[in-house]
Amino acid sequence: AQKVTQAQTEISVVEKEDVTLDCVYETRDTTYYLFWYKQPPSGELVFLIRRNSFDEQNEISGRYSWNFQKSTSSFNFTITASQVVDSAVYFCALRRSGAGSYQLTFGKGTKLSVIP
Amino acid sequence: DAGVTQSPTHLIKTRGQQVTLRCSPKSGHDTVSWYQQALGQGPQFIFQYYEEEERQRGNFPDRFSGHQFPNYSSELNVNALLLGDSALYLCASSFLTPPNTEAFFGQGTRLTVV
Repeated sequence: AQKVTQAQTEISVVEKEDVTLDCVYETRDTTYYLFWYKQPPSGELVFLIRRNSFDEQNEISGRYSWNFQKSTSSFNFTITASQVVDSAVYFCALRRSGAGSYQLTFGKGTKLSVIP
Repeated sequence: DAGVTQSPTHLIKTRGQQVTLRCSPKSGHDTVSWYQQALGQGPQFIFQYYEEEERQRGNFPDRFSGHQFPNYSSELNVNALLLGDSALYLCASSFLTPPNTEAFFGQGTRLTVV
């Protein structure tokens, strides 16, 4: 069985602070995909990043960066110099890599509030 | 290029009724998945359709059924509604291949059962 745990239910930061959202996953598969999605109040899940399990290189995209550590089954997400527009619920998700395996297993999400 | 569109955006139904939700996938996508998101929870996978057939199903009762049309659009049907079916229903579309493709989500349909 697959499981994703986002232990932080809610986080509040002041604008321009850095913030890290934690994600820990469980899977018996040797290959899999990890994702982060952002859900603003409108409800739509916005894709942020996909990471293959065999690629442990960290990634940076503007103010966003992701730290994937297979040894600790973690895929953490850092926002640098947070902005009010970053306020949303963020979900970490896991998917098997085999053909025909399209089910995303989501964590419960972390609600981020950035205070001006 | 239109993204994933869902209709209606909001819906109120009475317990025991039936409901149909609709989804048009992102242009070019051939696979549609449905998710249920209860308040304060992460989305839960209901099922996925490809080539007009259900290919994978999550842990949901048979009251939840679906359909995919030749133009790849999809419907989610829920029979004998329960209060616990109140949730945001999200549709996601993607390519069947390659397998590492990401899913794009619509804005969802907010279903309230009273």
